[in-house]
Amino acid sequence: ETGVTQTPRHLVMGMTNKKSLKCEQHLGHNAMYWYKQSAKKPLELMFVYSLEERVENNSVPSRFSPECPNSSHLFLHLHTLQPEDSALYLCASSQLRTGGLGTQYFGPGTRLTVL
Amino acid sequence: QQQVKQSPQSLIVQKGGISIINCAYENTAFDYFPWYQQFPGKGPALLIAIRPDVSEKKEGRFTISFNKSAKQFSLHIMDSQPGDSATYFCAARSGGSTLGRLYFGRGTQLTVWP
Repeated sequence: ETGVTQTPRHLVMGMTNKKSLKCEQHLGHNAMYWYKQSAKKPLELMFVYSLEERVENNSVPSRFSPECPNSSHLFLHLHTLQPEDSALYLCASSQLRTGGLGTQYFGPGTRLTVL
Repeated sequence: QQQVKQSPQSLIVQKGGISIINCAYENTAFDYFPWYQQFPGKGPALLIAIRPDVSEKKEGRFTISFNKSAKQFSLHIMDSQPGDSATYFCAARSGGSTLGRLYFGRGTQLTVWP
């Protein structure tokens, strides 16, 4: 596997379900991100982890709970979601260093549908 | 408030034509401007990027033009091909952020007719 992988690619869940999205990066990067992509809206940054520590949480509802057990893996735990949470959830990683560009590399995303 | 404004929302171009997508920003602290290309069912992929100390960057058929004083930058796709049909996002990075935080435009859906 190369780059950034995400599983599952598609997920349909009811409002009372609990599920988790998984992201794995094979690039040796030290930062990982969760984004939400909805139709006709800009990509919305949800969470940022740098060196496995959450450093940014953009007012995301508590029904989304991230977890970063190591620098290669990132999870997004979902519970009691709403239909408006249906979207494409993208994971990205980058190598952050002083003076560097920190280019972000994206995974293919998980298409989430909440019924 | 949207940090990066992108236009047009959709664009249809004949094969061989020039596709032009424009972006504007207000925050003068932005220090890096990437363009991402996204095909259906895929995540965005970095296409080309520029720093504000240069006015133009070219990679193959793709060129970024950057106007620092006007706070605008644009993507030009020369000799557009059907395989270029995708959604394009401009973005800008906050120079004060050590986290590489990117602000994205809303995207432009490009269709190139054969």
